[in-house]
Amino acid sequence: DAGITQSPRHKVTETGTPVTLRCHQTENHRYMYWYRQDPGHGLRLIHYSYGVKDTDKGEVSDGYSVSRSKTEDFLLTLESATSSQTSVYFCATKPNSGGANTGELFFGEGSRLTVL
Amino acid sequence: EDQVTQSPEALRLQEGESSSLNCSYTVSGLRGLFWYRQDPGKGPEFLFTLYSAGEEKEKERLKATLTKKESFLHITAPKPEDSATYLCASHRGGSQGNLIFGKGTKLSVKP
Repeated sequence: DAGITQSPRHKVTETGTPVTLRCHQTENHRYMYWYRQDPGHGLRLIHYSYGVKDTDKGEVSDGYSVSRSKTEDFLLTLESATSSQTSVYFCATKPNSGGANTGELFFGEGSRLTVL
Repeated sequence: EDQVTQSPEALRLQEGESSSLNCSYTVSGLRGLFWYRQDPGKGPEFLFTLYSAGEEKEKERLKATLTKKESFLHITAPKPEDSATYLCASHRGGSQGNLIFGKGTKLSVKP
């Protein structure tokens, strides 16, 4: 258990409203990730961070932005939510000891977002 | 294009009925093949790392193997508590540790 907390766990919002999901970790892991999981698509990377204020895009980054002002917090923002962003969002971290090739990620419990 | 493909999409077994899940990959410069387990309503949980063809890893009733083109997750004498979705993943070619995941195999083990 890497001590990853996601909030909120469930959210229903309307199209066009801004939404921010928060990921908090207690392990001081350098790398943090945001994935979305949808039926028929599996887990897809949205954005990731390799340090405070260091972020980069994943394969499905359009419509999303991220920020990391502290090691322990990684925020995912939907500036103007659309129905296509209805999904389950997972935050993950990578242990610092694993090296670049490690595939061991610790995942949070997920945040279920519904955009009406 | 880097791809990780899992089959079957779903598998129903009777308790004690052994079987295998398949993960085939086309990734430039393979730097590891990884298996995860995901329970309903939870995040994925890491199981195994495989780095080279011929490598095997075991954990309880699960054994993961790797060839040059695919990986298998063998489940021996499964129990109902093995019911979950099993995901495999690999590094996206040229990336700094970012994973590409398969869509998963949903395993149901009936008593």
